[in-house]
Amino acid sequence: DQQVKQNSPSLSVQEGRISILNCDYTNSMFDYFLWYKKYPAEGPTFLISISSIKDKNEDGRFTVFLNKSAKHLSLHIVPSQPGDSAVYFCAARGATNKLIFGTGTLLAVQP
Amino acid sequence: GAGVSQSPSNKVTEKGKDVELRCDPISGHTALYWYRQSLGQGLEFLIYFQGNSAPDKSGLPSDRFSAERTGGSVSTLTIQRTQQEDSAVYLCASSLESGRKPQHFGDGTRLSIL
Repeated sequence: DQQVKQNSPSLSVQEGRISILNCDYTNSMFDYFLWYKKYPAEGPTFLISISSIKDKNEDGRFTVFLNKSAKHLSLHIVPSQPGDSAVYFCAARGATNKLIFGTGTLLAVQP
Repeated sequence: GAGVSQSPSNKVTEKGKDVELRCDPISGHTALYWYRQSLGQGLEFLIYFQGNSAPDKSGLPSDRFSAERTGGSVSTLTIQRTQQEDSAVYLCASSLESGRKPQHFGDGTRLSIL
């Protein structure tokens, strides 16, 4: 069973517009969520995180929203830039601190 | 550099051989994690170290897989009698401590079993 789901395998956005990446989870015990960006042949790069006691965290162009009742989180990138084109993974902290990852969303930002 | 370092970056070996993958975490990070990403799959947890002990080995796929960490720093992941299904990118991550701290990843070792 997949505890963290990213239902959109890909997303295409125009440069300057907002990118919204979505993630759903099933386990209400998750208490910490993260977003990573991954380029080919590189490891995931940490972007932003949010604790379950908050509903929003912002860092520059990146904002993560958490809706615990819906077990849903989203990453907003504003404005989107061509360099943001990558695979984005959401992850949740499970028992013993291991991260449980979604399957990723490929974001393409068109110039 | 200041990031997580993994070696080798690429490894090609014949089925049945043993392989050893190395991870140097960020200095001062007490928690260390191994994950793998198989072709077309997401990242899959393998094992977690806090210091030199491994509280969670639940993700190791079989007893052919083992890992150790010495001196609270370097970790090695060993795969014995490799099989073709072991082909994947093996990723190491470290964090400042366990708990609600981001894990920072190395670039991985791409393992190919012929």
